[in-house]
Amino acid sequence: DSGVTQTPKHLITATGQRVTLRCSPRSGDLSVYWYQQSLDQGLQFLIQYYNGEERAKGNILERFSAQQFPDLHSELNLSSLELGDSALYFCASSMGQGVEKLFFGSGTQLSVL
Amino acid sequence: DQQVKQNSPSLSVQEGRISILNCDYTNSMFDYFLWYKKYPAEGPTFLISISSIKDKNEDGRFTVFLNKSAKHLSLHIVPSQPGDSAVYFCAVRSGNTPLVFGKGTRLSVIA
Repeated sequence: DSGVTQTPKHLITATGQRVTLRCSPRSGDLSVYWYQQSLDQGLQFLIQYYNGEERAKGNILERFSAQQFPDLHSELNLSSLELGDSALYFCASSMGQGVEKLFFGSGTQLSVL
Repeated sequence: DQQVKQNSPSLSVQEGRISILNCDYTNSMFDYFLWYKKYPAEGPTFLISISSIKDKNEDGRFTVFLNKSAKHLSLHIVPSQPGDSAVYFCAVRSGNTPLVFGKGTRLSVIA
């Protein structure tokens, strides 16, 4: 158990809908990272938050947004969903901003039908 | 354009033999290199890492080799065990930037 909790584990929705994925980092970790793993793709970095502030942005679509709350949990909001958004979404946490050892949650499998 | 390439999607090895997983990267500014292992229905877990000032790092059965001139990273597992069957991701970093991952190599260790 990595200590990182992601909910829900599975999500099935329709095109055009909006969903929210939730992540609770390990106790004491200030950084939260979101990654997307599509079929035949590696882990694509989406966005990083550190202590409530956005720190780095990757290949995140404009339809997607995230935030980190004062209690350090994070939410990834995906809107106007398309079939191609179907993927495994991972949250990871680390103590600092540039720590190499990330602790990953078990992911949220999103299926857009 | 992929910055990190794992050209073998899969690898099959006999139990007890050596498993060699490879990774190539494009940017010479990357200064930290890691391997993560992923089992089905779980998130990736950290396995081993190496900084750019070294060319080898060992941890039990796992050894990572770094060839900076060739921009090549490899993971050796000796001896391979059935429990090593998983997807292995290579990851790289430059300074404090977030990790960039490869697409992964699925290792199957056959008993």
